[in-house]
Amino acid sequence: DIVMTQSPSSLAVSAGETVTINCKSSQSLLSSGNQKNYLAWYQQKPGQSPKLLIYLASTRESGVPDRFIGSGSGTDFTLTISSVQAEDLADYYCQQHYSYPPTFGSGTKLEIK
Amino acid sequence: QVQLKESGPGLVQPSQTLSLTCTVSGFSLMDYSVHWVRQPPGKGLEWMGRMKYDGDTYYNSALKSRLSISRDTSKSQVFLKMNSLQTEDTAIYYCTRELPGPWWGQGVMVTVSS
Repeated sequence: DIVMTQSPSSLAVSAGETVTINCKSSQSLLSSGNQKNYLAWYQQKPGQSPKLLIYLASTRESGVPDRFIGSGSGTDFTLTISSVQAEDLADYYCQQHYSYPPTFGSGTKLEIK
Repeated sequence: QVQLKESGPGLVQPSQTLSLTCTVSGFSLMDYSVHWVRQPPGKGLEWMGRMKYDGDTYYNSALKSRLSISRDTSKSQVFLKMNSLQTEDTAIYYCTRELPGPWWGQGVMVTVSS
């Protein structure tokens, strides 16, 4: 199984700051056939189901604000949240969809100071 | 619109079998796959298994010996059964259309306790 390692496990920032969350996979998520990276990012607010933010490493799901940016390739990926807002308080998870079984990172808790 | 809703008992005794139902609307189970994902309280997400649109199933190897996923396409329902439950199976259980995907159920909390 592909192991997903997320960092940091938690962070606290002030509104307006930029946040970077990292995700590293134990195997490359880059398809040689189409040059796409099979990595997704989810946001989970307290008491809610996970919400898909990003798939294929950098494609924003419909309706997701453009301050959420996914980047990276191969085994190293980043979710950047620019100008963090109070409503971004949540847990964030990466998930590989390159091969079965799908696996998730351990999560990053974002707190707003 | 697309909707998924989990249902089942909130409390299960240790060693017993958990039975959950995911009722979907807005799409056909013969066109899309449905996955089960669980989340222990305060912890991360764990993929459990999948019912593919063609009826094929795939399970998390760590749960495979205890887990069974089936469906009734006429009722738009996907079923999860897991036996020999232990306290560490206490979790919120979600069903989701495709993974990754934007359509998740609200989740159902299952507590394993005597």
